[in-house]
Amino acid sequence: ILNVEQSPQSLHVQEGDSTNFTCSFPSSNFYALHWYRWETAKSPEALFVMTLNGDEKKKGRISATLNTKEGYSYLYIKGSQPEDSATYLCALGGSARQLTFGSGTQLTVLP
Amino acid sequence: NAGVTQTPKFQVLKTGQSMTLQCAQDMNHNSMYWYRQDPGMGLRLIYYSASEGTTDKGEVPNGYNVSRLNKREFSLRLESAAPSQTSVYFCASMPRGLNTDTQYFGPGTRLTVL
Repeated sequence: ILNVEQSPQSLHVQEGDSTNFTCSFPSSNFYALHWYRWETAKSPEALFVMTLNGDEKKKGRISATLNTKEGYSYLYIKGSQPEDSATYLCALGGSARQLTFGSGTQLTVLP
Repeated sequence: NAGVTQTPKFQVLKTGQSMTLQCAQDMNHNSMYWYRQDPGMGLRLIYYSASEGTTDKGEVPNGYNVSRLNKREFSLRLESAAPSQTSVYFCASMPRGLNTDTQYFGPGTRLTVL
């Protein structure tokens, strides 16, 4: 079982603040790193998939970076809005046909 | 396209009762997955089916069985429900089951075992 860790577990920020959180994973068994956004009472939805060291992906105000050598990925949100409030999950794609999910970072953006 | 659908949305069982959670996808995906979600523990894989006709155990398979009925449908059965199986259950599918594929999730089934 791959160990995928996310920090912090939860985060409160003011509207307009920028924020970031971390996903750590074992660098020795890396194939792909996924980020999902999970709103309360909904299903997780994919944000990014990254495979190469140094990858950087962007979607609007959200971006992510990947360092496979040291085993971490950062997710950044610029100018947080209340609608960004959600749990952000990262998941590691390894050698088996499955993803291993971290426990998530719960973001609350206060108006 | 409906995507991934799950039934029922809510269920309450008594300890020892059995039930089957249904999942179907209309995206012609090869791989399907069952997860449970518990507070503070993220999504944990119960069973998965990499392709029609195959099933494999995930991280927490004890107390569950699965059936990949056809390419569209993947059901999860609790033979004798226990309070520890109180959870939210999510079904997901992936186009090819590759680790770069996106997973598409159903709306979840909230199960309470008394």
